[in-house]
Amino acid sequence: GENVEQHPSTLSVQEGDSAVIKCTYSDSASNYFPWYKQELGKGPQLIIDIRSNVGEKKDQRIAVTLNKTAKHFSLHITETQPEDSAVYFCASSGGSYIPTFGRGTSLIVHP
Amino acid sequence: DAGVIQSPRHEVTEMGQEVTLRCKPISGHDYLFWYRQTMMRGLELLIYFNNNVPIDDSGMPEDRFSAKMPNASFSTLKIQPSEPRDSAVYFCASSLGGGAYETQYFGPGTRLLVL
Repeated sequence: GENVEQHPSTLSVQEGDSAVIKCTYSDSASNYFPWYKQELGKGPQLIIDIRSNVGEKKDQRIAVTLNKTAKHFSLHITETQPEDSAVYFCASSGGSYIPTFGRGTSLIVHP
Repeated sequence: DAGVIQSPRHEVTEMGQEVTLRCKPISGHDYLFWYRQTMMRGLELLIYFNNNVPIDDSGMPEDRFSAKMPNASFSTLKIQPSEPRDSAVYFCASSLGGGAYETQYFGPGTRLLVL
């Protein structure tokens, strides 16, 4: 089955800095890569996704990049704000329609 | 829509007791998923349903766990008997379909503590 590795497990940045979270996947048939944000006491919520026919997608301060050859994809957050503090999960699906989640990255943005 | 609804939000019980977690998916969604989240293992898929039928329960840890979906608007996850190692946050999620690009919508979770 699919295996998704996510790094780092914890990321601490100063407000205004950029944050990058990286994931790798194993199934070459995977073609959909969503990112979820989980705030304290809440369930994960989709914030952005990318399909395999696209190399990059941007939504305001958030961007995702995908390198299918290397089987890795990344989440980039620019101009971080304290409200960006949360746990972020990457996921991969396609070979099996049910997504496989990474272990999560706890992002802490210091004011 | 109110989103995915889970109850209770918090549950504290003693080892050996039966625990029942409840979920109401988003109206019109055909797929329902149960996940367990722990620090050690992250987010694990336990079981999922399509049109109220269990499709894959390979993630259910053992026979003490069971899940049902008697109708399109209600599902339960039951643990009997409960053990301290079952302590975790349990999420229910639903999606409109089962395709590769479908977004899963998560509920707020049930935080379970088994003493």
